Amino acid sequence: NAGVTQTPKFQVLKTGQSMTLQCAQDMNHEYMSWYRQDPGMGLRLIHYSVGAGITDQGEVPNGYNVSRSTTEDFPLRLLSAAPSQTSVYFCASSYDKGGYTFGSGTRLTVV
Amino acid sequence: SQKIEQNSEALNIQEGKTATLTCNYTNYSPAYLQWYRQDPGRGPVFLLLIRENEKEKRKERLKVTFDTTLKQSLFHITASQPADSATYLCAPTGGSYIPTFGRGTSLIVHP
Repeated sequence: NAGVTQTPKFQVLKTGQSMTLQCAQDMNHEYMSWYRQDPGMGLRLIHYSVGAGITDQGEVPNGYNVSRSTTEDFPLRLLSAAPSQTSVYFCASSYDKGGYTFGSGTRLTVV
Repeated sequence: SQKIEQNSEALNIQEGKTATLTCNYTNYSPAYLQWYRQDPGRGPVFLLLIRENEKEKRKERLKVTFDTTLKQSLFHITASQPADSATYLCAPTGGSYIPTFGRGTSLIVHP
């Protein structure tokens, strides 16, 4: 099993550009979520999903969109990148509410 | 609003000693609480989960306690080793089953 796969690992965007961070898991997990991690701020929840077709907002959803058309994939879209979105982004999944498996992260820089 | 507090200062201990990390939370009634380990440049790794009706949970050299009256969890690593050096995150988890993370405590085990 590959676990949780995030792509790309690194990305530099210009202000105003849009992009999609990919997240895929091969463990048939129902629960998936996106976090951003900034120095001194810890992990903050952006969006989450409790199953295909079901998504909800987390603590810091502004500027991001998600969709969950399949159990395996949970992409995160940046609509119009801003320097404040420079961060490390983690995708995570869980089969049954506890014990999340995290991806290796995407380091995003917006200039 | 929900608040999760973990010691912001690094915990330095000698190899072989027991490390004890603290997690306090307020304005929150989690159904369970999770602990994760994070190494620099990597995603968090799940360690243990303890439910609200459990007082203590053990896994090898790890022990977690959960006091819902004090709104506190303690995380112990016995016979600590330099390889245990990492940041440890606590994550109280409520009805949505999506964990909210503390900022983490850095543990440094000196040989």
